Amino acid sequence: GAGVSQSPRYKVAKRGQDVALRCDPISGHVSLFWYQQALGQGPEFLTYFQNEAQLDKSGLPSDRFFAERPEGSVSTLKIQRTQQEDSAVYLCASSSSGTYNYEQYFGPGTRLTVT
Amino acid sequence: EDQVTQSPEALRLQEGESSSLNCSYTVSGLRGLFWYRQDPGKGPEFLFTLYSAGEEKEKERLKATLTKKESFLHITAPKPEDSATYLCAVQAPSKPDKLIFGTGTRLQVFP
Repeated sequence: GAGVSQSPRYKVAKRGQDVALRCDPISGHVSLFWYQQALGQGPEFLTYFQNEAQLDKSGLPSDRFFAERPEGSVSTLKIQRTQQEDSAVYLCASSSSGTYNYEQYFGPGTRLTVT
Repeated sequence: EDQVTQSPEALRLQEGESSSLNCSYTVSGLRGLFWYRQDPGKGPEFLFTLYSAGEEKEKERLKATLTKKESFLHITAPKPEDSATYLCAVQAPSKPDKLIFGTGTRLQVFP
């Protein structure tokens, strides 16, 4: 079946603009994760959903970052009033189980550039 | 603090020249250790999960091993198509829902 998809693949925003990044997980996957990956670094955890419940948002860097998954499938990561330090690749991953011990499958990412 | 360190940062190999990548970790009560491969412009691709010291897993030219303090990714007779960044991540009991990644090893295999 299809893997995790993300859109847009590339986004350029002017400083101060709001952006919305979309993630379509693998069908039937209970868990969904967002990560931020700076150039030359490993991904860093942002937030985690089990179905529609956001169980962990400890990695969100500021209150300008907001994520939702209202129907337990598609998720949106929203960044308000973007800053240059928000420039990064935003990765979405999904997993088939809500009990943690399952592999996370990643999408291709959205590369955000804030000018 | 839970931490993952990968070495070397970059590795250049001749085709057929076997080598190993290292992932050392400090985490209390490791729940799982994961290896991913990442190609430029793509998301990480899952390779292996290891759960306990002494465990080994193989896939084609790759073999992953785990001890109580580190994991190795052994690459036997690599080919140019093995060129990628290899990421290691751990899962800790304190925050089992998130993966803690290292910065990766960038592998280049030349023909």
